[in-house]
Amino acid sequence: AQSVTQLDSQVPVFEEAPVELRCNYSSSVSVYLFWYVQYPNQGLQLLLKYLSGSTLVKGINGFEAEFNKSQTSFHLRKPSVHISDTAEYFCAVSEVDSSYKLIFGSGTRLLVRP
Amino acid sequence: SQTIHQWPATLVQPVGSPLSLECTVEGTSNPNLYWYRQAAGRGLQLLFYSVGIGQISSEVPQNLSASRPQDRQFILSSKKLLLSDSGFYLCAWSVPGGGKLFFGSGTQLSVL
Repeated sequence: AQSVTQLDSQVPVFEEAPVELRCNYSSSVSVYLFWYVQYPNQGLQLLLKYLSGSTLVKGINGFEAEFNKSQTSFHLRKPSVHISDTAEYFCAVSEVDSSYKLIFGSGTRLLVRP
Repeated sequence: SQTIHQWPATLVQPVGSPLSLECTVEGTSNPNLYWYRQAAGRGLQLLFYSVGIGQISSEVPQNLSASRPQDRQFILSSKKLLLSDSGFYLCAWSVPGGGKLFFGSGTQLSVL
């Protein structure tokens, strides 16, 4: 069975500082990997995804993530955060041959302070 | 363009009462449809998904059921709610093979 672990429930950071949100997964088969963001009082939206190819994936709003198969990780990074990046970030995994149902991590709240 | 509607936005129900949450999608055909739940302090959990009319897969044994009477309609139901059914319920859709999920705005259910 698949599982996704987001070790940090909350990450406080000052504006313009770099940030990394950690995500580790376990699966016995090949997977697709996703990062979703949920801004306050809004639904989830896709930030970026890894399906195949280059292990460094660039997403919206300056975020990027790197797929590391040996470490079963898919950490999300941004070199300089803004106040508006304050949100809940969800890592998710999907088996390659499933009907794209997603298994989500527990979420990491990014809190950007001025 | 595609849109997803989910209602109601909030719901307060007594223990033992029935439940019906509805989700509809517009602007696409034969979508995959999903019901997720986010319990307080926990991550999102997939409850049901459907790849076609009348085709429902249940991921977690529980007090809830789902139905898909029409191509773009997905209903989450319960005959008798439990306290543990409280949570935030999200409906979502995807184009088969697309991978990207589009979520509804969610329903906050409080069972008292």
